[in-house]
Amino acid sequence: DSGVTQTPKHLITATGQRVTLRCSPRSGDLSVYWYQQSLDQGLQFLIQYYNGEERAKGNILERFSAQQFPDLHSELNLSSLELGDSALYFCASSVVVLYNEQFFGPGTRLTVL
Amino acid sequence: TQLLEQSPQFLSIQEGENLTVYCNSSSVFSSLQWYRQEPGEGPVLLVTVVTGGEVKKLKRLTFQFGDARKDSSLHITAAQPGDTGLYLCAVYSGAGSYQLTFGKGTKLSVIP
Repeated sequence: DSGVTQTPKHLITATGQRVTLRCSPRSGDLSVYWYQQSLDQGLQFLIQYYNGEERAKGNILERFSAQQFPDLHSELNLSSLELGDSALYFCASSVVVLYNEQFFGPGTRLTVL
Repeated sequence: TQLLEQSPQFLSIQEGENLTVYCNSSSVFSSLQWYRQEPGEGPVLLVTVVTGGEVKKLKRLTFQFGDARKDSSLHITAAQPGDTGLYLCAVYSGAGSYQLTFGKGTKLSVIP
């Protein structure tokens, strides 16, 4: 158990819909990262938040957005969903130090029908 | 073009065999990490290598960082079914960046 929790574990929805994925980081970790894992693209970095502020942005679509709340939990919002958005979405957290280790949650499997 | 190329993509071996998987790039890195991901779970960090030529051992796993810090290898001795999983290498891309870039991984199956 990494100490990072994600809900829900599975999510099935239809094209055009909007969903919210939730992540609670490890106690004390100020940094949260979101990743998307698909069979063809592998594990890809989407976005990082540090203590409530956006710190780095990767290959995140404009239809996707995230935020980190004062209690440090984070939400990833996916809108106007397309079939190609079906993937595993992981949240990770870490302390921000040199060569830091990121601790990954168990992921949310999103299926868009 | 992938920043990190991992090979082989798939590997299926018998219990007790040895194996080596590779992570290659044309770029130089200040550090490189190896993660293992089991089905239905998130990746878990195995090791971080930071010095060119560095060798680190974790029980039956031996990690090496290339002298030029462009590549790395993972060698497993006497593989066991518990070693089954997806092995990913990853680097922090960009100076001062905390953005991890992953290779596509090597999917290892160890058959009892």
